[in-house]
Amino acid sequence: EPEVTQTPSHQVTQMGQEVILRCVPISNHLYFYWYRQILGQKVEFLVSFYNNEISEKSEIFDDQFSVERPDGSNFTLKIRSTKLEDSAMYFCASGLGLNTEAFFGQGTRLTVV
Amino acid sequence: AQTVTQSQPEMSVQEAETVTLSCTYDTSESDYYLFWYKQPPSRQMILVIRQEAYKQQNATENRFSVNFQKAAKSFSLKISDSQLGDAAMYFCAYRSLQGAQKLVFGQGTRLTINP
Repeated sequence: EPEVTQTPSHQVTQMGQEVILRCVPISNHLYFYWYRQILGQKVEFLVSFYNNEISEKSEIFDDQFSVERPDGSNFTLKIRSTKLEDSAMYFCASGLGLNTEAFFGQGTRLTVV
Repeated sequence: AQTVTQSQPEMSVQEAETVTLSCTYDTSESDYYLFWYKQPPSRQMILVIRQEAYKQQNATENRFSVNFQKAAKSFSLKISDSQLGDAAMYFCAYRSLQGAQKLVFGQGTRLTINP
């Protein structure tokens, strides 16, 4: 069964460093999302991406964040200068189209020290 | 903006018993989706069940069923014959049919199954 895969499963980084979280969405999906879950809190929407551009972003998704789909298969989230409060689980999700299911990856746990 | 509220931070149930998790939401839209996701200790998000707001019939998936009350904006999840593997965090989520159709999650309910 097709699935969304995320790498790495866990990343530890120094405060101020750049990190790139990678996702491989399901191959024929067109809509891509990043969500964040700080430990013990609810899952929050970060950004949605369609047709090679951001379709919607939340207040959390400020200038330190960026997304791209560099090669038609990967979907990446870059955090330019990490802060301690960026420590969270980051989930990628993809969907075939509007009004269809969004499937989640297993998440990347980011720890900023 | 839509909001989702889960008023039960924790619930527990005896194995083989039935438990109901509550969820309310706020929206001005007439058509939307509602979901329940399960998050086990591995922290992966697993879809349990979904409900389209235009459907009056409550969704059912094996031991999982919902009680969808559109006028009351209530969407509870019933788990019948609870099993140890049901222990997890459960999130209720709302999805608009407008825009990018992002998911808006509730705070979650931690479900414990007592053997």
